[in-house]
Amino acid sequence: NAGVTQTPKFRVLKTGQSMTLLCAQDMNHEYMYWYRQDPGMGLRLIHYSVGEGTTAKGEVPDGYNVSRLKKQNFLLGLESAAPSQTSVYFCASTRREGHYGYTFGSGTRLTVV
Amino acid sequence: KQEVTQIPAALSVPEGENLVLNCSFTDSAIYNLQWFRQDPGKGLTSLLLIQSSQREQTSGRLNASLDKSSGRSTLYIAASQPGDSATYLCAVAPNFGNEKLTFGTGTRLTIIP
Repeated sequence: NAGVTQTPKFRVLKTGQSMTLLCAQDMNHEYMYWYRQDPGMGLRLIHYSVGEGTTAKGEVPDGYNVSRLKKQNFLLGLESAAPSQTSVYFCASTRREGHYGYTFGSGTRLTVV
Repeated sequence: KQEVTQIPAALSVPEGENLVLNCSFTDSAIYNLQWFRQDPGKGLTSLLLIQSSQREQTSGRLNASLDKSSGRSTLYIAASQPGDSATYLCAVAPNFGNEKLTFGTGTRLTIIP
């Protein structure tokens, strides 16, 4: 009954460092998404995937890369972290886009100093 | 481009009262609308999913309605409890093209004991 699991839950990075956020879902969902949530900005889509081996850009993709090598995992990478990337990151998945509801992970709080 | 608005941004009500949260969207070409709850520092928990062909959905003390033609949805909470305090978000899924889930910025609800 895990649903969507995100690791790590918290992280502090120095400017210029790199890191990878992992999202894992056990519901056999085809579609997966990465969002960031900032005060006053709401949830904004970074990248998404419509199936294993696919990725696509969302609303705010700059500075991020993603990979979906396995259906159950969706990785979000920051190659050279910047203070503007300080945010809370959420992963979500759905069985079929627009037809079913979305399930969200509990989030990763990232601070870039 | 779809725009989703939630007014008010914050609401405080005494425990025990019934209350209504509002969600408005500009494009009626939607597939479904989903209500979420977000506790401080936590992820999004799905509350109710209403398909475009439905008028309402109920779960316990929660009732969500959808009027697609007028671009409005409401979340009714009966007999409010302090544990209902959270931010409530609505999200609209489009029924065409490459448009993605669009979120409102949320209503922060506080139930006063």
